[in-house]
Amino acid sequence: SAVISQKPSRDICQRGTSLTIQCQVDSQVTMMFWYRQQPGQSLTLIATANQGSEATYESGFVIDKFPISRPNLTFSTLTVSNMSPEDSSIYLCSVEGETGANTGELFFGEGSRLTVL
Amino acid sequence: LAKTTQPISMDSYEGQEVNITCSHNNIATNDYITWYQQFPSQGPRFIIQGYKTKVTNEVASLFIPADRKSSTLSLPRVSLSDTAVYYCLVGNTGGFKTIFGAGTRLFVKA
Repeated sequence: SAVISQKPSRDICQRGTSLTIQCQVDSQVTMMFWYRQQPGQSLTLIATANQGSEATYESGFVIDKFPISRPNLTFSTLTVSNMSPEDSSIYLCSVEGETGANTGELFFGEGSRLTVL
Repeated sequence: LAKTTQPISMDSYEGQEVNITCSHNNIATNDYITWYQQFPSQGPRFIIQGYKTKVTNEVASLFIPADRKSSTLSLPRVSLSDTAVYYCLVGNTGGFKTIFGAGTRLFVKA
């Protein structure tokens, strides 16, 4: 299993500002995933972050808006840039567990709830 | 990645058995079926995973027919605390990116 800590757990931000969310994992992992969950909706994958390489973004998400860092195997950050009220969401960090009995099992942090005014 | 279809919502009463069925007609040979549970203000949590036939753990059972085009998550004797969103996902190993469908909102009433 993996324990994931996210900071901040919640924040209220002003339009036009940027906020960086941190994700810390208690073990070394190859791949980290960032999801967005808008109110009442399912999770949408933003990007996959591998240590030592550029993040891979899903359709509809771009690096200029959601820059990601992955400096080592236990840490990643997601920045939400130039925020607008439409960016109000829960942002979740996730890692994949070791292959074995549960193939591809994902572990999630508690999420970071952002409200943009 | 195989697309999944689940009921949007279900209601149940405490003590009943709840079965949530997921359709995944385009499942690939090396795909596994995984179910997650999400409570409000929390990230999803793994419940159970299977490839074929039946899998049971301390939380739930997963039934998968021979053609694997659907699966059924069975929650025995639900309680109020089982009120959550349940997601069915289909994918394979090797760091696949996990795409979540709409999920099923289960409401357990007293």
